[in-house]
Order: sequence, then C-alpha cells, then structure tokens
Amino acid sequence: SQQGEEDPQALSIQEGENATMNCSYKTSINNLQWYRQNSGRGLVHLILIRSNEREKHSGRLRVTLDTSKKSSSLLITASRAADTASYFCATDFKGDTGNQFYFGTGTSLTVIP
Amino acid sequence: NAGVTQTPKFQVLKTGQSMTLQCAQDMNHEYMSWYRQDPGMGLRLIHYSVGAGITDQGEVPNGYNVSRSTTEDFPLRLLSAAPSQTSVYFCASSPYPGSGNTIYFGEGSWLTVV
Repeated sequence: SQQGEEDPQALSIQEGENATMNCSYKTSINNLQWYRQNSGRGLVHLILIRSNEREKHSGRLRVTLDTSKKSSSLLITASRAADTASYFCATDFKGDTGNQFYFGTGTSLTVIP
Repeated sequence: NAGVTQTPKFQVLKTGQSMTLQCAQDMNHEYMSWYRQDPGMGLRLIHYSVGAGITDQGEVPNGYNVSRSTTEDFPLRLLSAAPSQTSVYFCASSPYPGSGNTIYFGEGSWLTVV
C-alpha cells in the first residue's frame, strides 16, 4: 500500500496546549498536504508543503517536512475546542499509472475545554 | 458554486443488489477520485480519473466500477453489493495532482450493506 501513517492515532489535550501529529509516507512525493475532517463531514484542506520546502506556517498551523526521513509533522498552537477533529496527511506522487493522491490513516484530536 | 456534490447521502442495500453513487463537480477539474473510509483505516483510494474517458484503479478497486464520460461526473457503481462494502464513500476532485493543488471533497455517502 502507498498509504501513509499518522502518529499518534489519537491525541487528547487541554485547550490552550499545543498539538503535534506526525505523518510518515513510503515513496518520493511532489507535495504533502494536511486535511481536517470534522465528525460526519468531508475533508477540508488546511495547508500544503512542497517537496522542496522544509517548513511552512499558516495562522496557528506549522508544518515541517523531512524528505530524507519521509515524514512530516503538523503543529497546532494554542489549541481550541473547535480544533477537535481528525487530521490526515495526503501525498501526491507519480505512480505507475500517473499522479495519484494517497491519504494517511489519520490522527483523532480531542481538545478538552 | 456547488463544489463536489455526492448523492445519495445515506443508502441501505441488500447483499447482491447493485447501485450507483453519483458525484459531480462544477470546478472543471481534471482529476476525480473515489475513496472509502473505514474506522482506523483512513481513506483508501478506490478508482480515479485524470480526465474524461480515462479511469484507473486505486488501492481497493475490487467490486467497484467507474466511468468518466464527462469532465463533471464520476459515478461509482457497486455491481453486487457485499457486507464488506459497508463504508463511508467520498468523492473528490482536483486540478491535476503533482502541482500542489487542493483536493475538494464531497460530504460523503454512508452505505450499509445488509
């Protein structure tokens, strides 16, 4: 499987704390993206980091990418109860039959008010 | 601008029945795909298409058929439903992967096969 894996599978923190989740993948990639999924809803795009970038910020989000280790991390600072959701990394890479997107298994984040 | 629209939202099928999950996008995206999401398994790619008339298999294609006769529509067909196909299905679209384009998702279709 080309699927990536997020770590941890589940994370529970207090409001105001930082949340860090990690993603590992298996093949060389063009880009890596992070998505958020609220319970019972579709996924929503958060941030993209290209393979030639090492760090990117967007508001309270900070993403790092280490292509040598085939891993990425997503940091959410000063978490809020509304950040409670599942977070997925997605990679796009050139497979045998063309470019494809693959998603990781997700991290379920619970922020306790 | 509706984005990605999936229908139906909920469906219960009996084993052996067939059905089609509809997906339409109005963003003129080349790339469309179907994923299934199961607890603890993340999203797994079923089939994808890089343009009208072009489809290919993802990770878990068995039991599913697709076609792409127009840019807008990408239906997923279950030919003979099995309980193992009970899942949440998401359709997604994007400009062509590899260029850092965002993937847009539908709201999901909850399918139960009894």
